[in-house]
Amino acid sequence: KAGVTQTPRYLIKTRGQQVTLSCSPISGHRSVSWYQQTPGQGLQFLFEYFSETQRNKGNFPGRFSGRQFSNSRSEMNVSTLELGDSALYLCASSPGHRTDTQYFGPGTRLTVL
Amino acid sequence: SQKIEQNSEALNIQEGKTATLTCNYTNYSPAYLQWYRQDPGRGPVFLLLIRENEKEKRKERLKVTFDTTLKQSLFHITASQPADSATYLCAYDRGSTLGRLYFGRGTQLTVWP
Repeated sequence: KAGVTQTPRYLIKTRGQQVTLSCSPISGHRSVSWYQQTPGQGLQFLFEYFSETQRNKGNFPGRFSGRQFSNSRSEMNVSTLELGDSALYLCASSPGHRTDTQYFGPGTRLTVL
Repeated sequence: SQKIEQNSEALNIQEGKTATLTCNYTNYSPAYLQWYRQDPGRGPVFLLLIRENEKEKRKERLKVTFDTTLKQSLFHITASQPADSATYLCAYDRGSTLGRLYFGRGTQLTVWP
């Protein structure tokens, strides 16, 4: 089975711009979770989608949003970028039940200048 | 609020020795813990899951223990090799927040020849 893929792998934006990141989960997985990872804060949960519905949301401002399509692919969007949004954005897929292992993609490295 | 702590940011050991990493949790008793490995610039990779009713779990050179009295999990790598050098993360979920894992900050392990 193909693993989780994320595009793009690297992105450079300037403050005030917006960005869309894409994640394709493992075939058959219905849950996609997004995390932000920074050296200072570690892995922080953004949100999780299951069958096109946002099921959980972390403590991030409304500038961070996401969606999931009927084929389980997911996108996350960050509007009005700030310098502090520079991070590795990881998506993880799983079948969607408790105790599920999460399978992570390689991440998108976002740099905001 | 729930907390999961890995009490060493970095651990340096000599090749062939056993590496022991610690994960402590407070304010919540998870039904299971997961351990992941993360290499620089890449997404975490699942290693092992241990349930609260399991005292110990093994996979090749890896061993995980779970002590619900101490609220602690230990992760051991026996006969460590330089290729084991990476950051190791522990994580748990809560039944009420499906699709979300709470991660520790990780322990960066360096195995030197």
